Amino acid sequence: NAGVTQTPKFQVLKTGQSMTLQCAQDMNHEYMSWYRQDPGMGLRLIHYSVGAGITDQGEVPNGYNVSRSTTEDFPLRLLSAAPSQTSVYFCASSTLGAGNTIYFGEGSWLTVV
Amino acid sequence: SQQGEEDPQALSIQEGENATMNCSYKTSINNLQWYRQNSGRGLVHLILIRSNEREKHSGRLRVTLDTSKKSSSLLITASRAADTASYFCATDVGGGSQGNLIFGKGTKLSVKP
Repeated sequence: NAGVTQTPKFQVLKTGQSMTLQCAQDMNHEYMSWYRQDPGMGLRLIHYSVGAGITDQGEVPNGYNVSRSTTEDFPLRLLSAAPSQTSVYFCASSTLGAGNTIYFGEGSWLTVV
Repeated sequence: SQQGEEDPQALSIQEGENATMNCSYKTSINNLQWYRQNSGRGLVHLILIRSNEREKHSGRLRVTLDTSKKSSSLLITASRAADTASYFCATDVGGGSQGNLIFGKGTKLSVKP
């Protein structure tokens, strides 16, 4: 049981480049989300999805796109990378409903130069 | 916006001592959750306490919730070197079944052997 799998683990981008962070879960969870974590900060919600074909914005959505074509996958796209997007990105999933345990991936370290 | 604020920001103790971390939040919540993050890793769910609960135990963990003061505490008894990690509180403010969480900035716990 792999849980939540994120790729790549590390990435260096140049300003203006685009890329996609991949996230896959094998627990048949309806809910998936992306957070970013900056030094000395907690996690901030970027985008989330409550099922295939449904996505919504979180607290800090600007500069990011998501799609949810399948239950398993929830990729995060950086459209035109900026140094302010240097961060650690975490994907998470859970069953729907408040109070359910949320499972996190191991993180993707992104540096934009 | 940061909902939860952990206190202290950093805590250093000897193995065998108890560690207490506090979390304050601003708005009404459905539940409050505590997570652990080892350096360079994802977050791991520790314990959830619902808004109508006052205390909860799980192994060496004890969580209290005071909704009148909008605060929670996490007590780790008989700490071990393996407890060294950052600890985050996260609040579920409801507004739907998505379970979106708002994280605090975390307490960095160091347990010296």
